[in-house]
Order: sequence, then C-alpha cells, then structure tokens
Amino acid sequence: EVQLVESGGGVVRPGGSLRLSCAASGFTFDDYGMSWVRQAPGKGLEWVSGINWNGGSTGYADSVKGRFTISRDNAKNSLYLQMNSLRAEDTALYHCARDLIPGAVVTDAFDIWGQGTMVTVSS
Amino acid sequence: SYELTQPPSVSVSPGQTASISCSGDKLGSKYTCWYQLKPGQSPVLVIYQDSRRPSGIPERFSGSNSGNTATLTISGTQAMDEADYYCQAWDSSTGVFGTGTKVTVL
Repeated sequence: EVQLVESGGGVVRPGGSLRLSCAASGFTFDDYGMSWVRQAPGKGLEWVSGINWNGGSTGYADSVKGRFTISRDNAKNSLYLQMNSLRAEDTALYHCARDLIPGAVVTDAFDIWGQGTMVTVSS
Repeated sequence: SYELTQPPSVSVSPGQTASISCSGDKLGSKYTCWYQLKPGQSPVLVIYQDSRRPSGIPERFSGSNSGNTATLTISGTQAMDEADYYCQAWDSSTGVFGTGTKVTVL
C-alpha cells in the first residue's frame, strides 16, 4: 500500500525549532518529487516547500523562506522539514505529499497525501 | 505574489450540477488541479492538468481552464460530494492554492 506517514509535530514556543519527518512506503521513493503543504486551523491549504527526486532542486513559499529547510534521504525513504524561528502563524497541520508524475521536471499535482502532523507555536 | 480566488461557498441540490470557479491572472496559461477535502481527512486529487481525472475519481467530476478562470464541475452531485474544494496552480515554481470553496449539498 502506498503510504506517507508524518511525525515530529508538537508544541513549541515562538522562536523555537522543530524537525518534521515523512516516512514513505509502497512506492519507489526516489522516483518522485515531494512537498510539504500545511493547513492552519480554520484556514485553507498552503504550499510550504517542495523538493525534486534527488534533492537537487528545492522551493519555498515566501512565508517560510530563510526559516524552513526541506531535505530528503532516499536511502531511508524519508522526507524532512527543518523549521526554525517558528512563529504563531506557523501553527498548522503539516502534510507531506507526493508528486503525481514520477521524474517530473516541474511539479504538477499531488496524488498521495499523508494524514499530517500538528505543529502548535505558542508561548 | 500570485493569487487564486474562489467563491467561499456553493450550494447544490442532489442530482444537480455544481460549478466552482478559480480565478487568477492568465490562469489559462498554467495547468490547474483540484482537490477535495473532507473534515478529518487528507486532500484527494480529483482533477489534474485542467481536465484529467485520476483513476478512481468518478466521471461526474470534470474540469476546464481558459483565460483567467478554471472551473470544476460536478455533474449529478451526490451527498458524498459535500466537501471543501481547492484549486491549485504553479507560478514561478511556487505552489499556489485557491482560497477554497465549501460545497453544500442541500
């Protein structure tokens, strides 16, 4: 079964750091680009960051640029999001998501999503 | 920054057609996809590349994209289609989601 399972969420104070992980199974992980997408409570979806199949190309939303870092370990079938200098507005459910098309040069859509891990930034 | 605007809500009677718009500057020149999001669940891709349906998505879901507007159409709407729907496109390698539309099946 194709599956993505996120972990690493929790409660952190403003200015703190967290590292999210996403464990992939059921497919050839290093064939696909991956992204993180978040949804704040009562709000809509927001793309956070994306990475291509080999980690050679990454992208970030303006709201997290310079504070968050996406990475992957294909040997471990895992995706990560290092979040530093966290703010209250980063409070959200964070999903990892798989690109629809393997090996795509440009991300198209996301066909597999994890259930998400909750990040709460509060003093 | 690029923005995609959707109506906050759409109401439809069972069996009727629901249309959800997604507006953005020159959106027709970009591929648009659509996601369905139900409470407590992860998003489900229902349309990609403007009008293609992933396997397992019912034929009643269709999409189009031209000019500044993409449209998701649900024909013969069923109670199970009640959900939030989000359009998404890419601008300068940045993912952009629409503001979201709550579809209510009355």
